[in-house]
Parts: sequence; C-alpha cells; structure tokens
Amino acid sequence: QSALTQPASVSGSPGQSITVSCTGTSSDFGGYNYVSWFQQHPGKAPKLIIYEVSNRPSGVSNRFSGSKSGNTASLTISGLQAEDEADYYCSSYTTSSTLIFGGGTKLTVL
Amino acid sequence: EVQLVESGGGLVQPGRSLRLSCTASGFTFGDYAMGWFRQAPGKGLEWVAFIRSKDYGESTKYAASVKGRFTISRDDSKSIAYLQMNSLKTDDTAVYYCSRDFARSNAFDIWGQGTMVTVSS
Repeated sequence: QSALTQPASVSGSPGQSITVSCTGTSSDFGGYNYVSWFQQHPGKAPKLIIYEVSNRPSGVSNRFSGSKSGNTASLTISGLQAEDEADYYCSSYTTSSTLIFGGGTKLTVL
Repeated sequence: EVQLVESGGGLVQPGRSLRLSCTASGFTFGDYAMGWFRQAPGKGLEWVAFIRSKDYGESTKYAASVKGRFTISRDDSKSIAYLQMNSLKTDDTAVYYCSRDFARSNAFDIWGQGTMVTVSS
C-alpha cells in the first residue's frame, strides 16, 4: 500500500491562508472519516491538530481546519503565523484496518 | 501530567532483536488503544503497529514492512506498551514513537519524545 499523496511543499505569507491536500484511494480512506493531520516541528514529536476529518483537539487553534471530498482530504491554515512553519502529515484508517500516512508537506512562512 | 516515555532504543546489529517500552502516566492506560510509529532520518512518519484496549480484545495490526518480525503488546497493570523487534534490518533504523489513540479513530493525541534505534554492523 503506497503512501497518501501530499505536495512536498507549500508556502504563504503571514496572514494568508494555505491548503494542503492529501489524496488516496477509496481503500486508503476505508469508508470511514478517520483522517487525521499532524504538525511536526524539527526535532520534535508530531502533534495532532485535526482528527476525524475536521475535529480539532482541545487547545488547537481554530485557524486549523480540515475537510474531505471523495478521496482527497484537505488541511487549511488561515491567518498564517511564523510558528506554523513545520512539516504536516495526513493519516488515514484503511479498509484493511491499518493506518497510512502521507509523505509530508513542508510549510514555509515567507 | 499526561505523558508517554519511550525507552529501549540503541545500536543493534542486523538480524538481532530489541524490545522497546512505552511507559504511560497521567491517564488510565487500559482504556486506550496504543500505537507505535517511526521516522527514519530525514524521512516522513510511518505507522508501525497498534494494539486495541482490553475492551476491544487487545487486537493488533501491523504495517506490511514489519509484519511477522515485530510484535506489539501491553501490560495494563504496569501502564506499559511494548514493541518486540526481531530480525532487524538496516531499514528499521529510525526514531520510534509511541502514542495514544484517544478516540479509537486514528486520533493519536499524546506522543512520547521518541527513542532512536540504529541497525548497523
């Protein structure tokens, strides 16, 4: 099973909005809405920022939002801030009851 | 404080074994599914294995890359999750993280700091 497909990099200026896509197959998404997004700063552990496609864990800024249409999930970050510069990974629960990650997207805040 | 601490990493020769531990504190460990993940140097995140809670039969699943070589287990009395790694390969070199699925829906919210495993002769 190949990884979910994410763009290698995206960039935006402070205050702008960006969207990161995460594309897979119907098997990758398993018919469930169990898509998560993680933020990872260099040398740090991943941080859950979105789960079940569009839910934010307690304490995560509402500047982060998630959605899914067909076999593509998306993460949108609005009002970009310098601290948002990080790697972002999508993850999904598959029809095989396994987990799969995207290859990761490096966000640069210009 | 809710916390996960991994231990047991180190340098090991190809073909040898290693057991990682993930010690939990600050929450009722037995109520949650637990997962192991890894990240090779300069690479992305990779899921390795997960184990469901006792209420869900402690069922396990593995990534194809480790199936048959790695075994995940848990000791709820000690609040520890384990990852037994056998027949290690150089490709298994990575930082290994454990994490808690708080919603039984691929919602891994608490992560440890990671433990480095280096497989090299």
